[in-house]
Amino acid sequence: QVQLVESGGGVVQPGRSLRLSCAASGFTFSNYGMHWVRQAPGKGLDWVTVISYDGSNKYYVDSVKGRFTISRDNSKNTLYLQMHSLRAEDTAVYYCARAEEYRSSSMYFDLWGRGTLVTVSS
Amino acid sequence: SYVLTQPPSVSVAPGQTARITCGGNNIGTNSVHWYQQKPGQAPVLVVYGGSDRPSGIPERFSGSNSGSTATLTISRVEAGDEADYYCQVWDIRTDHYVFGDGTKVTV
Repeated sequence: QVQLVESGGGVVQPGRSLRLSCAASGFTFSNYGMHWVRQAPGKGLDWVTVISYDGSNKYYVDSVKGRFTISRDNSKNTLYLQMHSLRAEDTAVYYCARAEEYRSSSMYFDLWGRGTLVTVSS
Repeated sequence: SYVLTQPPSVSVAPGQTARITCGGNNIGTNSVHWYQQKPGQAPVLVVYGGSDRPSGIPERFSGSNSGSTATLTISRVEAGDEADYYCQVWDIRTDHYVFGDGTKVTV
């Protein structure tokens, strides 16, 4: 079964750290770029970060640059998001998503996990 | 950064046609992708590359893109189409991925 399953969310105090995981199954994980997308309560979708299929390239939205680190272990079919110095505004459901290339000019998210909720609160 | 503008809400009667717009600077030169998200669920891709549908998505969902506006059209709207819809592009200048703010479709 082709799926992504996130884990690691929870309640954390401001300034603390958390690591999210995303377990992939049913497809060749090492062939795909992978993303994290988040959604604050009652708000829209916000792209967070991407990692290339081999881990050699990573990009981040400005608001998390220097605080979040995306990584992957292709031998374990797992994607990670290490989050440091968490802020209240990082509170959101975090989705991992598989990226598919479109005509070498764009990418879209064709497979999503169910998400894991991160709540940053004292 | 690149901005995509969507109307906050669209209301449509069952059996009618819903049109959801997504505006952006020269968006007609971009590949636009659309997602449907129902309450408490993950987003689902419904249109990619402006007008292509993934397998399993009904033909009632179609897309178009020209000039400064991309449009997702839902024909013969059903109660089950009630959801939030998001457009998305890749900003080549920053290598970032941009979503519109979303449109809530009420049937």
